[in-house]
Amino acid sequence: EAQVTQNPRYLITVTGKKLTVTCSQNMNHEYMSWYRQDPGLGLRQIYYSMNVEVTDKGDVPEGYKVSRKEKRNFPLILESPSPNQTSLYFCASSFGGPYNEQFFGPGTRLTVL
Amino acid sequence: GQQVMQIPQYQHVQEGEDFTTYCNSSTTLSNIQWYKQRPGGHPVFLIQLVKSGEVKKQKRLTFQFGEAKKNSSLHITATQTTDVGTYFCPGGTYKYIFGTGTRLKVLA
Repeated sequence: EAQVTQNPRYLITVTGKKLTVTCSQNMNHEYMSWYRQDPGLGLRQIYYSMNVEVTDKGDVPEGYKVSRKEKRNFPLILESPSPNQTSLYFCASSFGGPYNEQFFGPGTRLTVL
Repeated sequence: GQQVMQIPQYQHVQEGEDFTTYCNSSTTLSNIQWYKQRPGGHPVFLIQLVKSGEVKKQKRLTFQFGEAKKNSSLHITATQTTDVGTYFCPGGTYKYIFGTGTRLKVLA
């Protein structure tokens, strides 16, 4: 089944404790992206990747890191999480770029205390 | 920068009423996409419009792309409770911004 998976689905952590949210897709998509969703602010892009080893900042990259060592995986790293990073995170992927249908993962709800 | 504005932000309708949400851009778009996010779910692709003046239908949903490729609309005829959710219209040429979308509530 074609899908985008994210882990963990829920996470409660404390300020400053490094964490990684994994994202994996099995559709051989070139483009992958991370979004965060907050009430009243909608879906905002954090980082995106056009292909392996090619990543770029989205609209809200501060406090996040990403890497794209393999085509299928695009982990989101929070080196020192802060409470303002409490949010719902979505990973998405598509063929070629954002101009094609994006497939979203189920989301990761992160709470930073 | 390139951005698509969507209105309204919220809409409550009685079941059976029609609903329309509009997306407007100050620049010409290569294409525009529509997504639906159910409460508690993730965004799901509905359709993509590419041609000027294009109209596409999916059952009770009608999607339009303006002649100038700067605006688009989604019209739902006779809403049902299953239409509840947030509708997004990312459009652009190289950058696609989802924004806040339109949150639709359908009252039974």
